[in-house]
Amino acid sequence: EAQVTQNPRYLITVTGKKLTVTCSQNMNHEYMSWYRQDPGLGLRQIYYSMNVEVTDKGDVPEGYKVSRKEKRNFPLILESPSPNQTSLYFCASSSAGLLYNEQFFGPGTRLTVL
Amino acid sequence: DQQVKQNSPSLSVQEGRISILNCDYTNSMFDYFLWYKKYPAEGPTFLISISSIKDKNEDGRFTVFLNKSAKHLSLHIVPSQPGDSAVYFCAASQQLSGSQGNLIFGKGTKLSVKP
Repeated sequence: EAQVTQNPRYLITVTGKKLTVTCSQNMNHEYMSWYRQDPGLGLRQIYYSMNVEVTDKGDVPEGYKVSRKEKRNFPLILESPSPNQTSLYFCASSSAGLLYNEQFFGPGTRLTVL
Repeated sequence: DQQVKQNSPSLSVQEGRISILNCDYTNSMFDYFLWYKKYPAEGPTFLISISSIKDKNEDGRFTVFLNKSAKHLSLHIVPSQPGDSAVYFCAASQQLSGSQGNLIFGKGTKLSVKP
């Protein structure tokens, strides 16, 4: 089954404790991206990757890091989480040739930073 | 400053009638527009898209209209069904300028279709 998986689905942590949210896709997609969804703000892009070893900042990259060492994985790293990073996070992927027409989203990770 | 605006946070429509969701953008460099639909507790799913070289794209009950001069697009759902009740996000990108990866979303409009 074609899918984007995220782990964990729910996470409660404390300020300053490094964490990683994993994202994996099994569709051999070149493009992967991270978004956060906040009430009243919609979806905002954090980072995206057009292919392995190619990453770029989205609209709200501050406080986040990403890496793309393999095509299927695109982890989101919070080196020192803060309460303003409490949010619902989505990973997505698509084949670059389809121009996002088939951008598949993961189920989301709800992060709470205390 | 918001580059993609959905000024109606919510919309309520009777089943069988037309739903019209609106989206405005400020960046004239945007050349590709998409609509995504999102149910609670799920990730967004792609609905329909339109390139700036077109002014209309249709897929079944869903039609997207683009008015470049007004920097406005709209999604029409006809006829509306209760299963269409969801949050709809408008999104835009610059395909031709090398920023293909940067996708800008609006804040979303919550559509409620009443039986």
